Amino acid sequence: EVQLVESGGIVVQPGGSLRLSCAASGFSFGDYTMHWVRQPPGKGLEWVSLITWDGGSTYYAGSVRGRFTISRDNSKDSLYLQMNSLTTEDTALYFCVKDDGFHIHYYMDVWGKGTTVIVSS
Amino acid sequence: QSVLTQPPSASGTPGQGVTISCSGSTTNIGTNYVYWYQQLPGTAPKLLIYRNHQRPSGVPDRFSGSKSDTSASLAISGLRSEDEADYYCATWDGSLSGWLFGGGTKLTVL
Repeated sequence: EVQLVESGGIVVQPGGSLRLSCAASGFSFGDYTMHWVRQPPGKGLEWVSLITWDGGSTYYAGSVRGRFTISRDNSKDSLYLQMNSLTTEDTALYFCVKDDGFHIHYYMDVWGKGTTVIVSS
Repeated sequence: QSVLTQPPSASGTPGQGVTISCSGSTTNIGTNYVYWYQQLPGTAPKLLIYRNHQRPSGVPDRFSGSKSDTSASLAISGLRSEDEADYYCATWDGSLSGWLFGGGTKLTVL
């Protein structure tokens, strides 16, 4: 069974930094593209970023480009999101999401339960 | 304001059918597959429809998807109380080089 467990969410001050992690199991992590998606409290879903299976390509939403960095360690079956220059607009539940594509980027299929980031002074 | 437009709410009575629309443009829905996700209260989203109309295993055939030009629809027939959830459409946008979600539609089963 595919499992994605996010961690690292905390309360952080505006302007601060944070790194989220996602531990994957139940599939060959290094063969699949991965995504981060966030959901502000009471609001809809916003795609944040994706990284291809080999880490060779990354894509970002305009709202986070230049501030967030997605990365992965295939030897540890782990996905990361480094978040810098945080603002209150970044307050959200952050989901780690597996892509369906094997050595390709297709679509988001399996979601973790999420980790909560609160940006507040 | 989302690039993909969905009605904020929809409703129906048990046994009825309901359709949720998702409107985009040529750079997103017009040239890419559409996906639908169901988010039950307090849970993570779940893939409901992929590649416009395909259902993952385990998704009842009461759920169906379609796409035409720059719009897509999710139809739910034989509404059940457990269908009460938020529904999101999603697609890739080639101009933005990123994924887009619709604003979400809250379905109420009366």
